[in-house]
Amino acid sequence: ETGVTQSPTHLIKTRGQQVTLRCSSQSGHNTVSWYQQALGQGPQFIFQYYREEENGRGNFPPRFSGLQFPNYSSELNVNALELDDSALYLCASSFSTGTQETQYFGPGTRLLVL
Amino acid sequence: AQRVTQPEKLLSVFKGAPVELKCNYSYSGSPELFWYVQYSRQRLQLLLRHISRESIKGFTADLNKGETSFHLKKPFAQEEDSAMYYCALSGSARQLTFGSGTQLTVLP
Repeated sequence: ETGVTQSPTHLIKTRGQQVTLRCSSQSGHNTVSWYQQALGQGPQFIFQYYREEENGRGNFPPRFSGLQFPNYSSELNVNALELDDSALYLCASSFSTGTQETQYFGPGTRLLVL
Repeated sequence: AQRVTQPEKLLSVFKGAPVELKCNYSYSGSPELFWYVQYSRQRLQLLLRHISRESIKGFTADLNKGETSFHLKKPFAQEEDSAMYYCALSGSARQLTFGSGTQLTVLP
């Protein structure tokens, strides 16, 4: 059984650019959630995907978008990057059964916007 | 709205001493509470969840609905317990709301 993986590990972009972050879910999991963790803060929920559909969204603007693929891997896209988007982006996968489930986190992608 | 508050950013205790990491929450329904831990250079991982009522690595946490708290406790701290601890809440939407974390340092 493989855990959650994310790519790339680090990324540097400039303001106004677009970025795509990738996540491979743990084997057997059908739900993926994305979180943004700014320095010194706890992770903040961006959105969740269940069976390729968005299943909840936090307080993030529409320039944050996502996809989940049939193999349950996922992408987070951020358009028109701003300096405040610099953060660690975490992906978490889980197996949704309709009740509360445990989310397993990846190592994160550290994004720096200059 | 759901909110989690961890009042201590930093906490230091000596090895063998008891430790308590505080967590208070705000949620109108019946939440599920979690403690996540992040050891140095490792990913965030689940330590325990209140619904399981387990003791993991000697840690326990009791949900107090009256005080809306979910404090994490261990009677005898070990140096390997040094890490960042996050309290998290999951409501009906199944999204996790995290506190800002407490960095625990266990001194020799």
